[in-house]
Amino acid sequence: DAGVIQSPRHEVTEMGQEVTLRCKPISGHDYLFWYRQTMMRGLELLIYFNNNVPIDDSGMPEDRFSAKMPNASFSTLKIQPSEPRDSAVYFCASRNGISNQPQHFGDGTRLSIL
Amino acid sequence: AQSVTQPDIHITVSEGASLELRCNYSYGATPYLFWYVQSPGQGLQLLLKYFSGDTLVQGIKGFEAEFKRSQSSFNLRKPSVHWSDAAEYFCAVGKASGGSYIPTFGRGTSLIVHP
Repeated sequence: DAGVIQSPRHEVTEMGQEVTLRCKPISGHDYLFWYRQTMMRGLELLIYFNNNVPIDDSGMPEDRFSAKMPNASFSTLKIQPSEPRDSAVYFCASRNGISNQPQHFGDGTRLSIL
Repeated sequence: AQSVTQPDIHITVSEGASLELRCNYSYGATPYLFWYVQSPGQGLQLLLKYFSGDTLVQGIKGFEAEFKRSQSSFNLRKPSVHWSDAAEYFCAVGKASGGSYIPTFGRGTSLIVHP
């Protein structure tokens, strides 16, 4: 079975540019999570969705960050405008909440803002 | 609110030695507990989980963990470490939310294995 698929794996862009990160969850999973990982702050939960509906976005750092899940097989995390302090590894994870199974993580997107 | 503490930022062991990684949690109800491993450049992979029942849980790659309610701990153990076990290890506790749970992760422990 295919796991959680994230794209791109690496992104380097200049400050002020718009960045879009993409995630395809595992088919049949009804929860989707976006995390950010940095050395300073560890693994932070940014937002999570249940059945395509955002449930808790209290971890989104600023209004520059937005996330959408237009359907059960696709989600995006957008940063506009990007800043150097947004540089981090961003992970997407999905889970089958009905059976209370653990999260499955993608391999992450390493984002560098110059 | 739940929280997870991994008191050791780094642990260094020799190959073949035993390993114990510590995890303490704070949560008012019976927790869901997890250990994940992260190899460089990859996402987190589940090692094992505890929801209920037997407090000694077996996982993949020869790892086990023991839930001790009296100590609010869920320490990860392996009797003999292999060089390929060098990685970052994360403990997580699940907070109940709408019939399911939302995990909170610890800061991680980096395992270094000497030959």
